[in-house]
Parts: sequence; C-alpha cells; structure tokens
Amino acid sequence: GQQLNQSPQSMFIQEGEDVSMNCTSSSIFNTWLWYKQDPGEGPVLLIALYKAGELTSNGRLTAQFGITRKDSFLNISASIPSDVGIYFCAGHPPDSSNTGKLIFGQGTTLQVKP
Amino acid sequence: ETGVTQTPRHLVMGMTNKKSLKCEQHLGHNAMYWYKQSAKKPLELMFVYNFKEQTENNSVPSRFSPECPNSSHLFLHLHTLQPEDSALYLCASSQEHTANTEAFFGQGTRLTVV
Repeated sequence: GQQLNQSPQSMFIQEGEDVSMNCTSSSIFNTWLWYKQDPGEGPVLLIALYKAGELTSNGRLTAQFGITRKDSFLNISASIPSDVGIYFCAGHPPDSSNTGKLIFGQGTTLQVKP
Repeated sequence: ETGVTQTPRHLVMGMTNKKSLKCEQHLGHNAMYWYKQSAKKPLELMFVYNFKEQTENNSVPSRFSPECPNSSHLFLHLHTLQPEDSALYLCASSQEHTANTEAFFGQGTRLTVV
C-alpha cells in the first residue's frame, strides 16, 4: 500500500533555532496535511495543503506541497519550548476520493531545549 | 477543545470483556472515522462512516464492531480482544468523506488489554 516516509525521526534542538522536517512518497497525493500531537492527546491540525506547489504559513509554521505531488515539508521558525511534540504528515491518496482516507507518516519527535 | 469528544479517555479490559468506545462530534460534519495508533507505527485507518453509512472497513478483525447511529455519534464495540490490540484509538470527523477535506481528531482512548 501507499506509504509516507517522514524524516527525521526525531530532533533535539535549542530554543530559538529553526526546524525543518519532510515527507516523501513514491506515489502522488492529492492533499497534504500536517498535524501535531502532544502526549496523551489526539493530533491537532496545523496546516492543510491542496495544490501542488502551494506554500502556506500559520504563524511560525510554513509548509509546502511539492510540485511533483510526492512530497511536502514543514518548517518551524524560532522554536519555543511549547513546540515540543510529535509532528505527523498525512495525505489523501488518489483512491481516497470516496472515503476521505488519510495515510500518515511515522512522525517526527521534536524536543526543544530552553 | 477540538469539537470531537471521546470517552473514556483510558480503558483497561480483560480479553473476555465486552466494552464500547464512544465518540461525539459537535462540528456538524458528515463523516466520521476510527483510527488506531500503536507504538512505533503510523496511524492506521480502521473504519469510515459517511452519513451513518460505512464506506470503508480497512480489513479490521471482527472483534472490533463499529456503530454509527447518526452523523454526530460513533461507537467502537470491543469483544474478546488480544493484548496486541492495546493502543490509542482515535476518532476523527470531517465535513465530507472525500479527499481535499480536513480531518479533526478527538483526544483518543488509551486501551490496555490484559
């Protein structure tokens, strides 16, 4: 089945640093979504991307839908301690047009040192 | 508060027990989903309901039985589970059951099978 390869698996950075993570696939996706999950909670939607090449920002977060439709990246600028958590990419494959099915990456665990 | 509420938050059950997980969404959405999140694995889609009708069963064992009495409520009935079924079970909803739609998650039920 379709898979999303998310990297890096984990990151440990200093407060104030910028962060970049990405997701790649061998097949195309129609939509890319980025979620953040705190311990013991459900994923919270950060950014949604609908068109190839689209670049969208949400505060200190910026994400892009790759032009090939096979990848996406998420950047976090000037990280703060509350950015700690697990970040997931997710995408709608072409065969999800009637189900809304999402495929998820393995997640990137972010730790921020004050 | 994401608009999707799951109860209970934590559940411990024996392999011969019968229990149910409940999900309620207050977003006016038409589609609801069950996902399973196991340690070290990506979120896995289990079931999709659209306007109370099941539109996807992702090869889930019959010991998991979903029920969707209306567009706002979704249940997952559990019977004779195995220890490997221990995981975080997440409910989500979206406006439609199609691609290009954003899914919003509840906080999850942490299930432990003993």
